[in-house]
Amino acid sequence: QTVVTQEPSLTVSPGGTVTLTCASSTGAVTSTHYPNWFQQKPGQAPRTLIYNTNNRHSWTPARFSGSLLGGKAALTLSGVQPEDEADYYCLLFYDGFLRVFGGGTKLTVL
Amino acid sequence: QVQLMQSGAEVRKPGASVKVSCKASGYTFTNYFLHWVRQAPGQGLEWLGIINTGSGDTGYSQKFQDRVTMTRDTSTSTVYMELSSLISEDTAIYYCLRERISQFDYWGQGTLVTVSS
Repeated sequence: QTVVTQEPSLTVSPGGTVTLTCASSTGAVTSTHYPNWFQQKPGQAPRTLIYNTNNRHSWTPARFSGSLLGGKAALTLSGVQPEDEADYYCLLFYDGFLRVFGGGTKLTVL
Repeated sequence: QVQLMQSGAEVRKPGASVKVSCKASGYTFTNYFLHWVRQAPGQGLEWLGIINTGSGDTGYSQKFQDRVTMTRDTSTSTVYMELSSLISEDTAIYYCLRERISQFDYWGQGTLVTVSS
């Protein structure tokens, strides 16, 4: 069974920078896993922030960026705002139709 | 504008089945895959499966392979997810989610399914 692993929780100060990562139990994450990143605030449906590793949607603030880092997918928030406090999930593509979510990272802005 | 409008909340007894719908509008229905994702109370997101709205082909998570069926009606631009043999652990919010060429974008508003005796 394929497992995708994220940091359970991270804390960042307002205005700071934080990087969330997404690892695959099958080995290094590459661009062919097409990492997507999602943000979810309490009581709301998730929304998609990043697709295909590093592409922002029109509604995604420029302070969010995606990359590959050390064999993992990464989401970096630069100049963190209080409203960025949320849960963040990555999703990876695997062979055929299989997609797998990471367990999520709870980001606290403090 | 793109919208994915899901059906309303459902309550079922253990052992029953539930069928949730997701009606798409604002785009060409058959140009996008649709996925189903769920979130149990206080838990993370879990991928259930995908339907190719053009061909009707489906792919399911191994965990749900024996209990889930996804279908679509191109005449109404609607996809359906049916989950059978419900247990209490199936209590969750179920979401539909659009994808094309590895790009996820729009989500439905979610449907709460409660399984309780």
